[in-house]
Amino acid sequence: GAGVSQSPSNKVTEKGKDVELRCDPISGHTALYWYRQSLGQGLEFLIYFQGNSAPDKSGLPSDRFSAERTGGSVSTLTIQRTQQEDSAVYLCASSLNVLASLGYTFGSGTRLTVV
Amino acid sequence: GQQLNQSPQSMFIQEGEDVSMNCTSSSIFNTWLWYKQDPGEGPVLLIALYKAGELTSNGRLTAQFGITRKDSFLNISASIPSDVGIYFCAGPPSSGGGADGLTFGKGTHLIIQP
Repeated sequence: GAGVSQSPSNKVTEKGKDVELRCDPISGHTALYWYRQSLGQGLEFLIYFQGNSAPDKSGLPSDRFSAERTGGSVSTLTIQRTQQEDSAVYLCASSLNVLASLGYTFGSGTRLTVV
Repeated sequence: GQQLNQSPQSMFIQEGEDVSMNCTSSSIFNTWLWYKQDPGEGPVLLIALYKAGELTSNGRLTAQFGITRKDSFLNISASIPSDVGIYFCAGPPSSGGGADGLTFGKGTHLIIQP
């Protein structure tokens, strides 16, 4: 697509429920990144994919968080047993390749509210 | 880990004024990036700096990469209402590559008063 597409744009869920966030990167971009932005904070790096593989998952906040990418394209970020502190905007970005210095193209994010 | 400190946290200015914000780090960055985030949107890359001392302009925006590679500033001249938003500095980890993602500052929130 023309840009990075994320869905849903907004999600309200009850504490304890699982949620799945989707990211559709720019066609041809091999690198995909997930970030979390809490209110008034900068962007917290979560995980990165080169193709379908995620070399380092240590940025994920807890074992309730998981992410996958299939076909070198769409990625999903899953949060199990959501907690109120998971409320944030989850941003996805993609880039042509692994060189972060080239800068990313971000999606508009998914605003997650856990009530 | 590496941290980026941005100042000021917020700025209240009049339309037409010039704006200056900066970003510092205790460690060296090989690349500095400046992003702008509009409400409800993801950050958009404004300027990328690759060489120490480099001064780069993009329209009314000017950014410089500090000689020590530990700081950068962003200036906006003759501000207009659409400049409102949050400005982030960012840089890749010193190890390079994308595996660790970019490090972002907490942002400078620019508010333009009528």
